[in-house]
Amino acid sequence: QSVLTQPPSVSAAPRQNVTISCSGSSSNIGNNYVSWYQQVPGTAPKLLISEDSDRPSKIPDRFSGSKSGTSATLGIAGLQTGDEADYYCAAWDSSLNIYVFGTGTKVTVL
Amino acid sequence: QVQLVESGGGVVQPGRSLRLSCATSGFTFSVYAMHWVRQAPGKGLEWVAVISSDKRNQFYADSVKGRVTISRDNSQNTLFLQMNSLRVEDTAVYYCAALWRGYGGNAADYWGQGTLVTVPS
Repeated sequence: QSVLTQPPSVSAAPRQNVTISCSGSSSNIGNNYVSWYQQVPGTAPKLLISEDSDRPSKIPDRFSGSKSGTSATLGIAGLQTGDEADYYCAAWDSSLNIYVFGTGTKVTVL
Repeated sequence: QVQLVESGGGVVQPGRSLRLSCATSGFTFSVYAMHWVRQAPGKGLEWVAVISSDKRNQFYADSVKGRVTISRDNSQNTLFLQMNSLRVEDTAVYYCAALWRGYGGNAADYWGQGTLVTVPS
């Protein structure tokens, strides 16, 4: 079944900015909201971004989301050591009637 | 506060069955579509199934379709996953979750802590 494609890893030094891409199709990202999750190994995922670009309360404004066509992007500004985690995009696929997660991106702070 | 507590995981032989439960509290369970999401050891998140708030609709990933049934008891605020004909590749931590805009317009995102299902080879 369809998945959303992300880069396997990104890395940067502290205080640098990084972006994570998420590529899908018209039936998922193109016509439905994208969410972004952060997962520290051994814990449940945490919602970072909802509805393409909205940040839930308590999520720092260093995290941002955007979408264009069938792709979405998560931005992390001013990278911190505590941001080391796996990040996943996700969206409902209205053609297949399934929920799809991205392949996941490991963020490493150098 | 919001709580989702999964139970029922364990070690089960290939071909056998298992029923997972997810007891919830702290939110209005009956208005949310509910999902099961799994994560194999060292792998990414994989969506498994969703059930609508009114139980009328269920959708499944191809990897489990025909072997798994999602259900819910809105009077008990509990979600279930009946897993039959288990395979080695079903080994994973299973999370129950309400996913933001995952299906049915959910405007909430809640996850349990997960329960481990192991199907040995």
